[in-house]
Amino acid sequence: DIQLTQSPSFLSASVGDRVTITCRASQDISFYLAWYQHKPGRAPKLLIYAASTLQSGVPSRFSGSGSGTEFTLTISSLQAEDFATYYCQQLNPYLQLTFGGGTEVEIK
Amino acid sequence: EVQLLESGGDLVQPGGSLRLSCAASGFTFSTYAINWVRQAPGKGLEWVAGISGSGGDIYYAESVKGRFTISRDNSKNTVHVQMNSLRVEDTAKYYCAKRGHYCGGASCYYYFDSWGQGTLVTVSS
Repeated sequence: DIQLTQSPSFLSASVGDRVTITCRASQDISFYLAWYQHKPGRAPKLLIYAASTLQSGVPSRFSGSGSGTEFTLTISSLQAEDFATYYCQQLNPYLQLTFGGGTEVEIK
Repeated sequence: EVQLLESGGDLVQPGGSLRLSCAASGFTFSTYAINWVRQAPGKGLEWVAGISGSGGDIYYAESVKGRFTISRDNSKNTVHVQMNSLRVEDTAKYYCAKRGHYCGGASCYYYFDSWGQGTLVTVSS
């Protein structure tokens, strides 16, 4: 199975900060990567798919980049409502689906 | 509006069985794959199983293969997962999620674009 390693697993940031989360795959997954935001007691929310395509309705401060084995989720200016846990997910159609371990973003 | 509603979560003893259901509305149900994802207490998300729109393609995580069975009834817009031989480590909140896709060039890209609120399964003696 493909392993996804997210870093950092936890970060503390202030409103207005630029935040970057990295997701590394154990083998080449091309652009088959999505990013989700998950808040306690809520359903996960799709942010990005195909590594860099912004889901409809998601604010433009979120962006994704990368391909192959290294991917990045960037929040250009962190807002109060962005404090949550973020997960990457590989969806290579020929392989079992996997999630990264998650990155918890906390208010500094 | 797409809606997914899970039900069936409960407290069950190790070795027991449980059947979860996911009722869908707001989209053409039979044309979309549905997946189950779980989150154990204090842990991250784990993909569990998926079923294609027709029901002809089914996939399981290694951790549940041979114990869980996913199925769907397109006449009732419902997906089920029958969970047998439950273990303490199956304790989690279980979400169902609709799989969307985008096709561009020679490739199609998948993602889980709608999720339910989840149902809690507790396996304990």
